[in-house]
Amino acid sequence: GAVVSQHPSWVICKSGTSVKIECRSLDFQATTMFWYRQFPKQSLMLMATSNEGSKATYEQGVEKDKFLINHASLTLSTLTVTSAHPEDSSFYICSARPGLAMGEQYFGPGTRLTVT
Amino acid sequence: AQKITQTQPGMFVQEKEAVTLDCTYDTSDQSYGLFWYKQPSSGEMIFLIYQGSYDEQNATEGRYSLNFQKARKSANLVISASQLGDSAMYFCAMRGWIIQGAQKLVFGQGTRLTINP
Repeated sequence: GAVVSQHPSWVICKSGTSVKIECRSLDFQATTMFWYRQFPKQSLMLMATSNEGSKATYEQGVEKDKFLINHASLTLSTLTVTSAHPEDSSFYICSARPGLAMGEQYFGPGTRLTVT
Repeated sequence: AQKITQTQPGMFVQEKEAVTLDCTYDTSDQSYGLFWYKQPSSGEMIFLIYQGSYDEQNATEGRYSLNFQKARKSANLVISASQLGDSAMYFCAMRGWIIQGAQKLVFGQGTRLTINP
């Protein structure tokens, strides 16, 4: 299957700082990318959907000013956690789809964020 | 709105036995897709199997098969001849089609499968 990469795989930052997570589709062009958040022993919760060149659509309850998403190209989306706090510590997973057809959605390996 | 329900928080199975992981769903979409993913302790999401709502035959992929019962809105995953490496978290997911906002993949709560030697 297609490959989606994420960088970094883990990051530790101090409270109040910002952290950027990159998501890349390596062998296909991703029309749509998704960002999920997963707390320990819980399911994946969709944070936002981004389409290349347009603003992201955030799920209810997700602060768009805190979680900035940029889908600048068909192979790159970034999630920036601004002014991070300990409660933002979580596992963040990106996902990408090559088109609108019903079919597989590819996931990155995830980024574990710890805010101290 | 779409909803996925996995009622088994945990399952314990002996190696080489078959196991069925339950998944029921609710949607008003006529066209939708059902997915199963495996998440080992490393955290990566591994795609296992896909079933389209209009597919007449149950999907199969190696040791994985999807028991799709559309009228009952269930999409159970069957793993035959379980192996120790099958121990992981398993998520059922659904994606709708044309309706605005329905193209997102919605996940169930997950089932933790443990294979005993």
